[in-house]
Amino acid sequence: GENVEQHPSTLSVQEGDSAVIKCTYSDSASNYFPWYKQELGKRPQLIIDIRSNVGEKKDQRIAVTLNKTAKHFSLHITETQPEDSAVYFCAATQMDSSYKLIFGSGTRLLVRP
Amino acid sequence: EAQVTQNPRYLITVTGKKLTVTCSQNMNHEYMSWYRQDPGLGLRQIYYSMNVEVTDKGDVPEGYKVSRKEKRNFPLILESPSPNQTSLYFCASSFPQGRAFFGQGTRLTVV
Repeated sequence: GENVEQHPSTLSVQEGDSAVIKCTYSDSASNYFPWYKQELGKRPQLIIDIRSNVGEKKDQRIAVTLNKTAKHFSLHITETQPEDSAVYFCAATQMDSSYKLIFGSGTRLLVRP
Repeated sequence: EAQVTQNPRYLITVTGKKLTVTCSQNMNHEYMSWYRQDPGLGLRQIYYSMNVEVTDKGDVPEGYKVSRKEKRNFPLILESPSPNQTSLYFCASSFPQGRAFFGQGTRLTVV
C-alpha cells in the first residue's frame, strides 16, 4: 500500500521568511495530493491540493509542487505570519479499491514574531 | 452550510462501558472515514465506508465497529473501551479521491 513520509517534523522560521515542507510517496499511481493545516485544538482543514496532471499550484502565499518522477511533493509558504503556526499534514491517495488518503506524520511549524 | 458534525466533543468514560460517537455529513459524500490522532503518530485511519452498507477496516480497526445504514451517518462504536483507546477522534467525508472534510473532533478519555 501507499506510504507517505513527511519532513521535517518541526520547523521554526522568522516571520516574513519562507517555509518548505516536503513529502515523499511510494505508489507511483497516486494522483491526488492534499495538504491540511491543523491549528491547536481544531480540526484539519484543507489549504491546497494538487492532482498528478499538474506540476505546481499556487494560492496567494501558499504553493504546492509535485515531482511525479521522484515521487515527492512540497508545500511552500512565503512571507510567513504568526497565524501560519500550526501542524501541517500532507497526504496521498492509495490507488487500490479503497482510494483512501494516507497521511504523513505532520510538521509542526512555528513562526516567530 | 457544508459540514461534518461529530458528537460528543468530549467524553470521559470507564473501561468496558459501550459508547458511540456519531458523525453526520450534509454534502451527499459517498466516502466517510474515522481517524484517531495521537501525539507523534499523525492521523491513522480506523474504518472507512465507500457507500451505504459498504465498510472496511483501516489501519487500526481493533476494538472499534462502524455501521453505514444511511449515506449521511457513520457512527463509531466502542463495544468495550480500554484506556489505550484514549485519543482524539475525527470523522471525515469526501467524494472518492476528493477533498476530505473533517468533523470538529471528539476527545475521548477512557479511565
